[in-house]
Amino acid sequence: AQSVTQPDIHITVSEGASLELRCNYSYGATPYLFWYVQSPGQGLQLLLKYFSGDTLVQGIKGFEAEFKRSQSSFNLRKPSVHWSDAAEYFCAVGMEYGNKLVFGAGTILRVKS
Amino acid sequence: DVKVTQSSRYLVKRTGEKVFLECVQDMDHENMFWYRQDPGLGLRLIYFSYDVKMKEKGDIPEGYSVSREKKERFSLILESASTNQTSMYLCASSFSPRDTNYGYTFGSGTRLTVV
Repeated sequence: AQSVTQPDIHITVSEGASLELRCNYSYGATPYLFWYVQSPGQGLQLLLKYFSGDTLVQGIKGFEAEFKRSQSSFNLRKPSVHWSDAAEYFCAVGMEYGNKLVFGAGTILRVKS
Repeated sequence: DVKVTQSSRYLVKRTGEKVFLECVQDMDHENMFWYRQDPGLGLRLIYFSYDVKMKEKGDIPEGYSVSREKKERFSLILESASTNQTSMYLCASSFSPRDTNYGYTFGSGTRLTVV
């Protein structure tokens, strides 16, 4: 069965600093990979996704993520964090012949000024 | 843009009431989902549907039922609300994974409080 691990429950970074949120998945074939962001009291918004091809994908709000098959990872990065990036971030994995995504437990990002 | 609309942002219901949460999507998605979200537990799948009148249980279906009479609408029903069903409920929809636009689109959520 698929599973997703986000090892960090909370991360605090200073405004302007770089950010990396970790995501590891367990799945035998090439997965479909997603990152979502959730602001307080809101639904989840898609940041980016990877299906195939170039392993470095660009998303909205200046985020990018890199698929590393050998490490079963799909880490999210941003070179310079803004205070408005404070939110909860979810990694998710899906597969070609299934209808459900499996979500990680989420990482709460705090940004200090 | 795809829009997923949940009928209520906040609801307060009494224990034992029958509660209906409505979700409507406007982009002809085949799949629709209901999740609940609780602090420290992440998103847990309650039910999903991949076609009209079709439904499948998720990870925590007990105490819930669903209805999908039309492709665009997916309703979550709490047959007899209990305080442990106080939660944030999120609806999502998607095309099938074989579509290049695959990915969930979420509604804004309904925060349900059962008193």
